[in-house]
Amino acid sequence: GQQLNQSPQSMFIQEGEDVSMNCTSSSIFNTWLWYKQDPGEGPVLLIALYKAGELTSNGRLTAQFGITRKDSFLNISASIPSDVGIYFCAGYYSGGGADGLTFGKGTHLIIQP
Amino acid sequence: GAGVSQTPSNKVTEKGKYVELRCDPISGHTALYWYRQSLGQGPEFLIYFQGTGAADDSGLPNDRFFAVRPEGSVSTLKIQRTERGDSAVYLCASSRGGTETQYFGPGTRLLVL
Repeated sequence: GQQLNQSPQSMFIQEGEDVSMNCTSSSIFNTWLWYKQDPGEGPVLLIALYKAGELTSNGRLTAQFGITRKDSFLNISASIPSDVGIYFCAGYYSGGGADGLTFGKGTHLIIQP
Repeated sequence: GAGVSQTPSNKVTEKGKYVELRCDPISGHTALYWYRQSLGQGPEFLIYFQGTGAADDSGLPNDRFFAVRPEGSVSTLKIQRTERGDSAVYLCASSRGGTETQYFGPGTRLLVL
């Protein structure tokens, strides 16, 4: 099945720094999604990308759908303490196979004040 | 309700017992998904409902797992003869008409002793 490689696995940064994380896939997706999960909660949708090459922003967050359709990145600018959590990329392919999302293993973001 | 709700939030059971986990999707969402999330991992797809029917159950690990959605709204995930390896967070998500933009509930934390 499809595999998603998400990196880095964890990040220790200072408040105010910019953050960048990415996801690569062994096969193509039609849609890339980025979620954030806090302890004891379900994943919360941050950004959805539907077209290769698409660049989308949501406040301090910016994400891009790679032109090869096999990768995506998420950037967070000027990090703040509430950005702490686990960020997951997820891909979806509508051309057959499982109808669910395929998730990466997550990037743990830890912010030092 | 405003979001996806899941009950119970926590469930502790003994090996060999039967459990039921409930999901109430966002009102008007016809698609419903179940995922399982093990510690340190991203969610893994289990089953997808479009209306009352299971459109894709390819992610169910074995025949001890079963899910229903009899009226096209609330869904129940049923696990028979639970094993310690079934311990995980079970997440439910819903979307409009089977789109890939899925919204998650808070999850049920299942612990099998």
